[in-house]
Amino acid sequence: AQKVTQAQTEISVVEKEDVTLDCVYETRDTTYYLFWYKQPPSGELVFLIRRNSFDEQNEISGRYSWNFQKSTSSFNFTITASQVVDSAVYFCALSRGGGSEKLVFGKGTKLTVNP
Amino acid sequence: EADIYQTPRYLVIGTGKKITLECSQTMGHDKMYWYQQDPGMELHLIHYSYGVNSTEKGDLSSESTVSRIRTEHFPLTLESARPSHTSQYLCASSPRRLAGGVGTDTQYFGPGTRLTVL
Repeated sequence: AQKVTQAQTEISVVEKEDVTLDCVYETRDTTYYLFWYKQPPSGELVFLIRRNSFDEQNEISGRYSWNFQKSTSSFNFTITASQVVDSAVYFCALSRGGGSEKLVFGKGTKLTVNP
Repeated sequence: EADIYQTPRYLVIGTGKKITLECSQTMGHDKMYWYQQDPGMELHLIHYSYGVNSTEKGDLSSESTVSRIRTEHFPLTLESARPSHTSQYLCASSPRRLAGGVGTDTQYFGPGTRLTVL
């Protein structure tokens, strides 16, 4: 069975602080995919990144960076110099390879960035 | 990025009413999905479709039904709404994987419908 755990339910930081959102996953598949989505107060889920299980390279996109470590089954997300607009719920998700695109979501981490 | 639309964005109705939540996408994606998001934020897959005339139930049992008569349209219907159906409903779509290709396609989400049943 697949499972995604986001242990941090809520995080509150002050603007310009760095913040890391944790994601730990469980799967027996050797091929799988990991995702991060952002859900701002308006409600839509915005795709941020997809990673496959064979690519452990870290990725940086502006103030966002992702650290994928298969050894610890983690796919953590760091926001550098956080801004108020980063306030949202962030979801980590997992899907298996081989034809099934069903996503298993974590319960989400609500990030509040205070001015 | 997919263009995916959901209407209405907000709906407040009384118990026992029949409702249809609309979802459409303009990208020609074969796969479409419905998720239910409870107030505690957790997302649950309730229906999905891999193409026209294909519908499957998701991981969370739901009293709703779906249809897929056209590629771009994936409506969700509740025959008799109840307060327990109060939730946010999110529609998503993803493109078909290319023949011989590998990988899982990204799901792109619509803005959601926030349903309140009184």
